Amino acid sequence: DTAVSQTPKYLVTQMGNDKSIKCEQNLGHDTMYWYKQDSKKFLKIMFSYNNKELIINETVPNRFSPKSPDKAHLNLHINSLELGDSAVYFCASSRSGREGQYFGPGTRLLVL
Amino acid sequence: GNSVTQMEGPVTLSEEAFLTINCTYTATGYPSLFWYVQYPGEGLQLLLKATKADDKGSNKGFEATYRKETTSFHLEKGSVQVSDSAVYFCALTGSGNTPLVFGKGTRLSVIA
Repeated sequence: DTAVSQTPKYLVTQMGNDKSIKCEQNLGHDTMYWYKQDSKKFLKIMFSYNNKELIINETVPNRFSPKSPDKAHLNLHINSLELGDSAVYFCASSRSGREGQYFGPGTRLLVL
Repeated sequence: GNSVTQMEGPVTLSEEAFLTINCTYTATGYPSLFWYVQYPGEGLQLLLKATKADDKGSNKGFEATYRKETTSFHLEKGSVQVSDSAVYFCALTGSGNTPLVFGKGTRLSVIA
């Protein structure tokens, strides 16, 4: 009964490859997010979707393309991976901002 | 824009010591305030929250009070345990489902 799940948990790949990360939530939330955590643990919002519509795109390179097939799923596709993309990517969801957001376990991406 | 400042770590305490992690914020309007905890190799867990001035959030012996006059939300625990060793993040969100803005995180190590 995992609330927010992500796959894969670990992803090791070569520069220039294309990869996808999948996220699913079973909480019935309308809003989903992607955050990036860098090597110093700093967390920053990348994208926010509400009911399958993109709400926020925080100046992320267009190599990153989120897709929400339905409000329970938010996937992240990354083209032409670069060394600087190495990070932990977290998916989250919320019903309302004041209740807080619920995070997935993270996907640890390492680009070689 | 909104921002969160929390004390730099790492913080090292002996078991049963008193813990304070300072957090101050800058925000327009009336943000909701949160503390998240990240255990090694895991995702972020919502630890506690407060949605209006003078609210006290509490969970697992941790507590924090929303102080509008000092724009602060300091995390406290009376007696820490080794199992509390983790990275703690202070965060805020504005109205609606706006994304979380995080502090840089404070690493806590508790030694027996």
